[in-house]
Amino acid sequence: EPEVTQTPSHQVTQMGQEVILRCVPISNHLYFYWYRQILGQKVEFLVSFYNNEISEKSEIFDDQFSVERPDGSNFTLKIRSTKLEDSAMYFCASSETGSNTGELFFGEGSRLTVL
Amino acid sequence: AQSVTQLGSHVSVSEGALVLLRCNYSSSVPPYLFWYVQYPNQGLQLLLKYTSAATLVKGINGFEAEFKKSETSFHLTKPSAHMSDAAEYFCAVSYRGSTLGRLYFGRGTQLTVWP
Repeated sequence: EPEVTQTPSHQVTQMGQEVILRCVPISNHLYFYWYRQILGQKVEFLVSFYNNEISEKSEIFDDQFSVERPDGSNFTLKIRSTKLEDSAMYFCASSETGSNTGELFFGEGSRLTVL
Repeated sequence: AQSVTQLGSHVSVSEGALVLLRCNYSSSVPPYLFWYVQYPNQGLQLLLKYTSAATLVKGINGFEAEFKKSETSFHLTKPSAHMSDAAEYFCAVSYRGSTLGRLYFGRGTQLTVWP
């Protein structure tokens, strides 16, 4: 069964360092997303991406964050200069239709720990 | 403001007992409603969804949920718990007219099943 894969599963970094989280969405999907979950808090929407551009970003997704689809398969989230409060589980998701009723397929998540 | 409330961050049941996980939403317009499940070391997986058809929705693994507009609820139930149901369950909503694929999640409920 097709699945969304994310790497790394866990990354530890120093505050101020750049981090890139990688995702391989399901191959025929066209809509891509990043969500995050700070420990003990809700899963929160960060950004949606379609046709090689951001469709919408939340207030969390400030200038420190960027997303890219560098080739036909990968979808990346870059955090330019990490802060302690960026420590969270980051989930990549993709969907085929982009409908509000459609199913999002999530990866296993990348746990980011900022020291 | 859109919000989703899951009552009870932890629910414990015995194997064979009824599972009831509660979810309430706040919205003046009925949203689309979802339940996702996350098994250990896996991504979020769609259990079921309500998209304004039948109010009683059946999902995978014997789970079902009923949309009750008067109570703004979408509680998840399963008549008889199985050990393999132990996981974290997330209620989520999306809204007509909002960004495609933007979900608003509850905090999650950890379900423990005792033998």
